[in-house]
Amino acid sequence: DAGVIQSPRHEVTEMGQEVTLRCKPISGHNSLFWYRQTMMRGLELLIYFNNNVPIDDSGMPEDRFSAKMPNASFSTLKIQPSEPRDSAVYFCASSLASDTEAFFGQGTRLTVV
Amino acid sequence: EDQVTQSPEALRLQEGESSSLNCSYTVSGLRGLFWYRQDPGKGPEFLFTLYSAGEEKEKERLKATLTKKESFLHITAPKPEDSATYLCAVRGGGADGLTFGKGTHLIIQP
Repeated sequence: DAGVIQSPRHEVTEMGQEVTLRCKPISGHNSLFWYRQTMMRGLELLIYFNNNVPIDDSGMPEDRFSAKMPNASFSTLKIQPSEPRDSAVYFCASSLASDTEAFFGQGTRLTVV
Repeated sequence: EDQVTQSPEALRLQEGESSSLNCSYTVSGLRGLFWYRQDPGKGPEFLFTLYSAGEEKEKERLKATLTKKESFLHITAPKPEDSATYLCAVRGGGADGLTFGKGTHLIIQP
């Protein structure tokens, strides 16, 4: 398996624009997580899905952020409108079950100018 | 609220100089303590999961141990390729997502 695949690897956008980050989890994994990593706050959980259903979105910073998982092999994280403080590395991770180890993608480095 | 504190923030060792990284945690109902390695520009790479106090796991030069309040990652005779940021995370009883520490940035000098 190729592992968790994220796209794009890098994204530079202007403040106010919509940004969509994409993730393909490992085949057969039932849980998917979105994290954000910054120097100041480290890795923070934004939202996670179990069997394509959002279970906990309490980490989503505000209504500008939304996430979907239309099927078992695809998820998106959308920011609209984007702001400079959203600049960070966004990671997607998947796990076989909700209580097993998670495997991370390579991340999307987002820069909002 | 689950909390994870890692120390030291950074550690520089000579090749072959063994040491330990610390991960202190507070969690309601531990359902796993996880160690990851992260190289610059890459995602965290899974190393170990520990579930109960007294448990130990080993992989090459790395050994992870767990008590009721903390975990240690012991590095024996490290090599330059062991240089990375090591992250500790916990899964508590209240949620399935992981709570991460800020990591220890380890540099092994040849």
